[in-house]
Amino acid sequence: DTAVSQTPKYLVTQMGNDKSIKCEQNLGHDTMYWYKQDSKKFLKIMFSYNNKELIINETVPNRFSPKSPDKAHLNLHINSLELGDSAVYFCASSSRLAGGAYNEQFFGPGTRLTVL
Amino acid sequence: AQKVTQAQTEISVVEKEDVTLDCVYETRDTTYYLFWYKQPPSGELVFLIRRNSFDEQNEISGRYSWNFQKSTSSFNFTITASQVVDSAVYFCALSGVYSGGGADGLTFGKGTHLIIQP
Repeated sequence: DTAVSQTPKYLVTQMGNDKSIKCEQNLGHDTMYWYKQDSKKFLKIMFSYNNKELIINETVPNRFSPKSPDKAHLNLHINSLELGDSAVYFCASSSRLAGGAYNEQFFGPGTRLTVL
Repeated sequence: AQKVTQAQTEISVVEKEDVTLDCVYETRDTTYYLFWYKQPPSGELVFLIRRNSFDEQNEISGRYSWNFQKSTSSFNFTITASQVVDSAVYFCALSGVYSGGGADGLTFGKGTHLIIQP
């Protein structure tokens, strides 16, 4: 029944490691996103992706890369983790409605990443 | 560039009081969407409402109501007869539409932490 799922829920790792967070949606949506929520609760878009276009927020370091094996999945790979990468990462998805508008974004439960 | 301002960092009220959360936005897009999300202490993001830029009708859903005014670029959220379960961080957000038709990511405000005291 879960609409947008993320694994793992918690991720604790050492600086310098490479890690991935998986995201899957079963809503049939055509666009997926990754957001970062910092310790002050500020939410910021990292990537928007559909099967045609990847939009990258220019402030995101190139150590972060989204990988989409298919429309239902958008995984987040992070290389050479740094202390400042510690945050909660949310995946989301949305879909185009009749008439061209997009519906609301449905969010996953979040992955809390702690870099030691 | 898009911007969302939630000037109220934290609001504390006693249960059953009415409370209004303010949201002011900036965008150059003529077509855009406004949203409110709730983040309870458990951490998930719960969708509350979506509003298109061409639909200025106010909306009421139970104890929740929203006032969208394009003239002042505001999209305020009122909770009537607040309850302890309403305690959460509330985010106002804005999105545009890419020229290619794709859905833009959400630009969030910094959130308002609402505390409802029993």
